[in-house]
Amino acid sequence: AQSVAQPEDQVNVAEGNPLTVKCTYSVSGNPYLFWYVQYPNRGLQFLLKYITGDNLVKGSYGFEAEFNKSQTSFHLKKPSALVSDSALYFCAVRRGAAGNKLTFGGGTRVLVKP
Amino acid sequence: DTEVTQTPKHLVMGMTNKKSLKCEQHMGHRAMYWYKQKAKKPPELMFVYSYEKLSINESVPSRFSPECPNSSLLNLHLHALQPEDSALYLCASSQDLQTSGGLAKNIQYFGAGTRLSVL
Repeated sequence: AQSVAQPEDQVNVAEGNPLTVKCTYSVSGNPYLFWYVQYPNRGLQFLLKYITGDNLVKGSYGFEAEFNKSQTSFHLKKPSALVSDSALYFCAVRRGAAGNKLTFGGGTRVLVKP
Repeated sequence: DTEVTQTPKHLVMGMTNKKSLKCEQHMGHRAMYWYKQKAKKPPELMFVYSYEKLSINESVPSRFSPECPNSSLLNLHLHALQPEDSALYLCASSQDLQTSGGLAKNIQYFGAGTRLSVL
């Protein structure tokens, strides 16, 4: 079985401040980890992924995420948040080579205030 | 181009109606997915097609009937739905694991969704 936890329902941050969205996972075998963002009434947009290699992954729109195997975490970060980053963020995990099924976390709403 | 197109954007139907949701992609992806998403919740996987064959059915009620007529199209046929089926229905596609040449390519790309209301 595989699961993802996003412990914060909402994160509030002032524009220009660093943004962190937390994600922890549980999976047997090698995890393949993804972050998606969803704007109101839209589908999910892919931000970044970790498959193998460097623990720090850089993605779209200035986002990055750090894979930490010992803590089973994959937190999303952005050094300087923008108001336009306000959206719903989902972390997802897929067990490597086990099929096409993604398991999503519950989502974290990010609100960036001017 | 990473576009997945879903039609219609909005759909209102009665419990006795029959309707269909459509999804199209031209990225050469051989895996396609239907998800259901309730407000402020994560997407829930319904079906996965791989090479036009149904590979995963997450115990979805039979009032939802998927169809994959070719590698670019995915339909979801709806019949006798219930009000609790009202949700955002998302389609996604990805390279299939068999052809990925490396699972790193297996990113799922989502459409904008069809917002369904069942009265």
